Amino acid sequence: EAQVTQNPRYLITVTGKKLTVTCSQNMNHEYMSWYRQDPGLGLRQIYYSMNVEVTDKGDVPEGYKVSRKEKRNFPLILESPSPNQTSLYFCASSLSAGGWADTQYFGPGTRLTVL
Amino acid sequence: DAKTTQPPSMDCAEGRAANLPCNHSTISGNEYVYWYRQIHSQGPQYIIHGLKNNETNEMASLIITEDRKSSTLILPHATLRDTAVYYCIVSPRGNAGNMLTFGGGTRLMVKP
Repeated sequence: EAQVTQNPRYLITVTGKKLTVTCSQNMNHEYMSWYRQDPGLGLRQIYYSMNVEVTDKGDVPEGYKVSRKEKRNFPLILESPSPNQTSLYFCASSLSAGGWADTQYFGPGTRLTVL
Repeated sequence: DAKTTQPPSMDCAEGRAANLPCNHSTISGNEYVYWYRQIHSQGPQYIIHGLKNNETNEMASLIITEDRKSSTLILPHATLRDTAVYYCIVSPRGNAGNMLTFGGGTRLMVKP
């Protein structure tokens, strides 16, 4: 089944404790991105990647890192999480970037709470 | 990206057509209209998109006015599982970063 998977789905952690949220897609998509969703603010893009080893900042990249060492995986790294990073996170992928007719497929979400 | 305006909420009876409007009066010629939906905290799901012509797929129909300043998403026979927040998004081809800008959306409640 074609899908985007994220792990963990739920995470409660404490301020300053490094964490990684994994994202994997099995559709051979070139483009992947991370969004966060907060009440009243909609979805905001954190980082995106147009292909392996190509990443760029979205709207709200502060406090996050990403890497794209292989096509299928795009982990989101919080080196020193803070309470304002408590949010619902979504990973998304599409066949390619730039041809906007490509639809984006979203993962199930990761609900992160930073105490 | 052009801004969109949608009603915050709508109700629809199960089995009836749900017509969700979207205003995008500042849309540019190269911008597509996309519809996604999000069912209670799940990942957003693509529904349909179009540029000028009306479009139909297995999920819905998209009607775009001739001046392209507004559109309507039609779910022909709404079911309880169609209860979700529906987002209308406009964005050009070649949008750097493929970023989707989600506004407030319309919360559709399908009632028995």
